[in-house]
Amino acid sequence: NAGVMQNPRHLVRRRGQEARLRCSPMKGHSHVYWYRQLPEEGLKFMVYLQKENIIDESGMPKERFSAEFPKEGPSILRIQQVVRGDSAAYFCASSPQTGGAYEQYFGPGTRLTVT
Amino acid sequence: QQQVKQSPQSLIVQKGGISIINCAYENTAFDYFPWYQQFPGKGPALLIAIRPDVSEKKEGRFTISFNKSAKQFSLHIMDSQPGDSATYFCAASKDNDMRFGAGTRLTVKP
Repeated sequence: NAGVMQNPRHLVRRRGQEARLRCSPMKGHSHVYWYRQLPEEGLKFMVYLQKENIIDESGMPKERFSAEFPKEGPSILRIQQVVRGDSAAYFCASSPQTGGAYEQYFGPGTRLTVT
Repeated sequence: QQQVKQSPQSLIVQKGGISIINCAYENTAFDYFPWYQQFPGKGPALLIAIRPDVSEKKEGRFTISFNKSAKQFSLHIMDSQPGDSATYFCAASKDNDMRFGAGTRLTVKP
């Protein structure tokens, strides 16, 4: 059973470009979460999605950032017009469909570097 | 606001010693408390978790102690090994809302 997959693992963008980060949840998981981790810091919640729905985007910056989880295909975190401060590791996690408190399983992350 | 406070920020322990990491939470609605282990360049991996209806859970060398009245929980690593050197995150969640502590960087010296 494959774990959570993220690609690319490393992404370099120049200021002003767009970054697209992809996440494929574990098989059977329909809940996806995105987190940002700055160097030497903890995980900051960004957004929680289910298939075709954004459930909680309270941690997402209001501008330039968007996320989707379409009916088919991976979840996408999109950062438009990237700035140096966007450089970080972005982790995706998934959990099972059933409600309640469940483990979140993390992918290996995408390390974004903005030059 | 920070809903889960974790301490210490870093910890150095001799091989064979006990590593203790503490967390405190604010929201009494939280009902699931996992610990994650993260090695450099990797994603966090679930280590052990507890629900508030028990005060302790042990898995091998790892034990979670939970104090519901104090809204605190801790991770104990017995017989710490150099391979345990990693960053540890506590978390607290309700439904699918999970909040993480800032992390503890553990170094186990041989």
